[in-house]
Amino acid sequence: ETGVTQTPRHLVMGMTNKKSLKCEQHLGHNAMYWYKQSAKKPLELMFVYSLEERVENNSVPSRFSPECPNSSHLFLHLHTLQPEDSALYLCASSQNLAGTETQYFGPGTRLLVL
Amino acid sequence: GENVEQHPSTLSVQEGDSAVIKCTYSDSASNYFPWYKQELGKRPQLIIDIRSNVGEKKDQRIAVTLNKTAKHFSLHITETQPEDSAVYFCANSGGSYIPTFGRGTSLIVHP
Repeated sequence: ETGVTQTPRHLVMGMTNKKSLKCEQHLGHNAMYWYKQSAKKPLELMFVYSLEERVENNSVPSRFSPECPNSSHLFLHLHTLQPEDSALYLCASSQNLAGTETQYFGPGTRLLVL
Repeated sequence: GENVEQHPSTLSVQEGDSAVIKCTYSDSASNYFPWYKQELGKRPQLIIDIRSNVGEKKDQRIAVTLNKTAKHFSLHITETQPEDSAVYFCANSGGSYIPTFGRGTSLIVHP
């Protein structure tokens, strides 16, 4: 259970706050992903990085800003969020960016925006 | 974009019964079909997957079947146990390198 870690596990923030979510993978993978998981909805892909290059930005509002300083770390910077952004944010990684790769998920950050 | 329909959204069974969850997809280029299990408060984890050159794959009490002509694939769990209670997600990819997930099925196994 330590392959992909995320911090913090829980976060409460006001709409004017700025916070960052952190993801770290210890699997030697080259691709990393951010997903949003809301109740009653499918997993929503937000961003994809391959070898530190962003390859997908799935129409995500600019109040979410990703950063991938190296292939082991992925951040999601948050600012001026809305209550509807409250959700579980999951990070995942895979060996490479290929459609047949298994994704390994982190435990998620439960975010509540007040 | 790719669309994956997953049914049912909720499935309630008695311990020992079988459970079947079905997903349909639209992208004929899809060639990889994983299933993930997410227990309450935990991360999704891969439980079984199948590639398009295979029609069926089995791992103990879990099996996945694929019908590429009809564009659907199913998860079969036999002899269900209370610890099988979780949300199960299907996914597919291949046409695009990004997997598309179904909405999830909440499986409840009653002791």
